[in-house]
Amino acid sequence: AQSVTQLGSHVSVSEGALVLLRCNYSSSVPPYLFWYVQYPNQGLQLLLKYTTGATLVKGINGFEAEFKKSETSFHLTKPSAHMSDAAEYFCAVSGADQAGTALIFGKGTTLSVSS
Amino acid sequence: KAGVTQTPRYLIKTRGQQVTLSCSPISGHRSVSWYQQTPGQGLQFLFEYFSETQRNKGNFPGRFSGRQFSNSRSEMNVSTLELGDSALYLCASIRDSPSSGANVLTFGAGSRLTVL
Repeated sequence: AQSVTQLGSHVSVSEGALVLLRCNYSSSVPPYLFWYVQYPNQGLQLLLKYTTGATLVKGINGFEAEFKKSETSFHLTKPSAHMSDAAEYFCAVSGADQAGTALIFGKGTTLSVSS
Repeated sequence: KAGVTQTPRYLIKTRGQQVTLSCSPISGHRSVSWYQQTPGQGLQFLFEYFSETQRNKGNFPGRFSGRQFSNSRSEMNVSTLELGDSALYLCASIRDSPSSGANVLTFGAGSRLTVL
C-alpha cells in the first residue's frame, strides 16, 4: 500500500526566506511523486512531478523538489518566499505499475508568508 | 483553452436528500477522476472514468456513484446524504489513457457541498 506523510501541517516563513516543505512516502513499487498547490476557493494546481530520470525536479514559480529513494523523501523547496506563495501544499504519490491515475495525497501543509 | 468546469460551485442540502454534481473536462481529455476533500480526512480518491467505463474506485460506500457520458462529461451522485458528506468535491481530467500513474491531473475549482 502507498502512503504519504507531510511533516508539519503549518509552516511560517518571512518573505525572502527559504521555504522547505517536507514529504515522505511509502510505496512498494517505483513511485511517481507530485506536489500540488491549492489557493483559497480554488482547485489544485500542479507544481512539479517526478517520474523517472533526474532526481532534482524543477517546477513552476521557482519551486523544486528532490527525490531521495534512500530516504523515501520528496521535499519541496524554494530559495526565497514571496507573499503570493501563501497557500496549501499537497504531496501525492501514485504507483508506476498501476492502471489509472488515482493519487494518494498527504494531509497538506499550509504555508504562511509574513512581510 | 477552457479548463475543467464543475457545477454547481456551492450547494446546500439536508440529510437524506441526494445530490448530483457535474464535471466537464478539458476538451480532448477522455479521463475524469473525482476526489473528496474534507478538513479531517484530506483528499480522498472517489472514482475514475475513462471512455464511459469506471476504471478505478476508492473506498467509499455505495451511496457514492458516478458515470461518464460519450462527450467525456461526468456526473457524480450521492444519495441519502449524511452530515459527514459535507466536503469540497473535486473533479480532474487527463488527456491520455489512464494506464500510467505518471499522467498529470488538471483539477477544477470544485463543488462545495454543505449538508445540514
